Amino acid sequence: KNEVEQSPQNLTAQEGEFITINCSYSVGISALHWLQQHPGGGIVSLFMLSSGKKKHGRLIATINIQEKHSSLHITASHPRDSAVYICAVNSGGGADGLTFGKGTHLIIQP
Amino acid sequence: NAGVTQTPKFRILKIGQSMTLQCTQDMNHNYMYWYRQDPGMGLKLIYYSVGAGITDKGEVPNGYNVSRSTTEDFPLRLELAAPSQTSVYFCASGLKDRRGGEQFFGPGTRLTVL
Repeated sequence: KNEVEQSPQNLTAQEGEFITINCSYSVGISALHWLQQHPGGGIVSLFMLSSGKKKHGRLIATINIQEKHSSLHITASHPRDSAVYICAVNSGGGADGLTFGKGTHLIIQP
Repeated sequence: NAGVTQTPKFRILKIGQSMTLQCTQDMNHNYMYWYRQDPGMGLKLIYYSVGAGITDKGEVPNGYNVSRSTTEDFPLRLELAAPSQTSVYFCASGLKDRRGGEQFFGPGTRLTVL
């Protein structure tokens, strides 16, 4: 069973700061997902990646398959980025339901 | 497209009562999932389905049942509600390729069992 660990659990930063959230997993995967959960509770998929790096606006996700590690970066952070960011992995098997980390609670202060 | 919809949004049950959480998707996805999210914990897979008529257990299936009679609908049934089932329940759907596949989540159902 894959274990997914995220750090930090909580992060408070000032508007404009560069943010990094880390994710590590214990067993080889087919893909890694970064999800965003807003205070209202809805979950939105930000990235799915199996190698390298992806960028969408101010968000960048990277993955190192050999080290079993991924990072989510937010450049020029803004209060609207405040949310819980969740790392999840597809480990294969069955219908490949996701295995989730506990999430990183990010607060960006104006 | 409405995406993935769930009803109800909120529900309070008494111990021993039964209920069905509804989930519908209009994206013609074969794969559908039910997850529960407890405070301070990662989401956990309850049941999943790879297509109409095919379902299987996930990590935490005890106390739940599912059915999948159509591609669109994947209801989750609680037969005898217990306080341990107090949680937020998310339905998701997706396509699957060799890498896994992106999943699309519903808005969630917040269930309290008293």
